[in-house]
Amino acid sequence: RKEVEQDPGPFNVPEGATVAFNCTYSNSASQSFFWYRQDCRKEPKLLMSVYSSGNEDGRFTAQLNRASQYISLLIRDSKLSDSATYLCVVTRSSNTGKLIFGQGTTLQVKP
Amino acid sequence: EAGVTQSPTHLIKTRGQQATLRCSPISGHTSVYWYQQALGLGLQFLLWYDEGEERNRGNFPPRFSGRQFPNYSSELNVNALELEDSALYLCASSLLGQLNSYNEQFFGPGTRLTVL
Repeated sequence: RKEVEQDPGPFNVPEGATVAFNCTYSNSASQSFFWYRQDCRKEPKLLMSVYSSGNEDGRFTAQLNRASQYISLLIRDSKLSDSATYLCVVTRSSNTGKLIFGQGTTLQVKP
Repeated sequence: EAGVTQSPTHLIKTRGQQATLRCSPISGHTSVYWYQQALGLGLQFLLWYDEGEERNRGNFPPRFSGRQFPNYSSELNVNALELEDSALYLCASSLLGQLNSYNEQFFGPGTRLTVL
């Protein structure tokens, strides 16, 4: 079983739709949580960190449920430019320098 | 401010050869990380260097090695190349060796290695 699991999709949604991505992690000692975005054949870029209290950045909302070991990302009012692969990322409690990536969920926003 | 840079952009080698990939971190960053992204697989952690020392390595064979220079740039070497080493190799850098929500790893554009 992979340490970080995501539904690979693809999610095909119309512009303006709300879409939610889910991610589960298996190591209860995981410490920090992030969502990265990766455009086709480009490098990953940090979209947002995920905090226990939940956090919002514009149209993006991230939630963390430590008890269920579950992370989510909600995108409201989808734009064409949101089309990308969204990577769920966790780190372990010890200082390993290692980001543990999920396989990514592909989003395609259509006009 | 310049981001993480990597060279070459593309590299084509044959099985059994050696490949050398290079990375320059963002100015002021001391930590450099290497990741492999093979087709159909997620990003896999390879190596972490900080202040010239190897701090951690992922589950890869010893023929994957590297080093960090005094100017914090880094080199990844892959010996005895195999077909399955074909992948995008991404380098990232961060301010400190500790990873928390404030010490983001910034990724470079990657080197696409093809082994024939």
